[in-house]
Amino acid sequence: LAKTTQPISMDSYEGQEVNITCSHNNIATNDYITWYQQFPSQGPRFIIQGYKTKVTNEVASLFIPADRKSSTLSLPRVSLSDTAVYYCLVGDLMDTGRRALTFGSGTRLQVQP
Amino acid sequence: GAGVSQSPRYKVTKRGQDVALRCDPISGHVSLYWYRQALGQGPEFLTYFNYEAQQDKSGLPNDRFSAERPEGSISTLTIQRTEQRDSAMYRCASSLGRGANEQFFGPGTRLTVL
Repeated sequence: LAKTTQPISMDSYEGQEVNITCSHNNIATNDYITWYQQFPSQGPRFIIQGYKTKVTNEVASLFIPADRKSSTLSLPRVSLSDTAVYYCLVGDLMDTGRRALTFGSGTRLQVQP
Repeated sequence: GAGVSQSPRYKVTKRGQDVALRCDPISGHVSLYWYRQALGQGPEFLTYFNYEAQQDKSGLPNDRFSAERPEGSISTLTIQRTEQRDSAMYRCASSLGRGANEQFFGPGTRLTVL
């Protein structure tokens, strides 16, 4: 499983755009990039997933450059409720063996008023 | 619809006792996962099932830990002869199955071993 590296913490203010970058230099051809969000006292929650270029949903955007060695989660106009830990994960969805997610320590985003 | 549920939500036990943690996945979900999460860390994989078959138990710390999912739905994680180092949040997740790109996590069971 590809190892990921992301900042330990980030601070932002309400209304700003937040970009969290994750590096995954050893990503394999079949690997997808997935981001989860975890609020205190809750389980992780799926945010977004992508393979290459750009993916956008109602919550976030995910930018993946051509070499796929990194990815950036973009949260537009954050609010206080976006304060959470964000995990970047890399793995092969179609692998019939170990399908479990490998979490790192994540990025703790603190949004200030 | 109902999400993943876990019980009990909190469990306090004395060292040496056995505990059983229950997970009720989302109806129809083929895959079920157990994770353990220490404070300030991401979830750590323990084991997972497709239907009733345990596919991977490489994350179980030692032979005091076991899990089952006899009918392919509810799962039980059992810890025998608990030790203080077993104290953690135990989380269960489920997904539709192969190719599914999203795991749904339950609220977790906070285990404290005194």
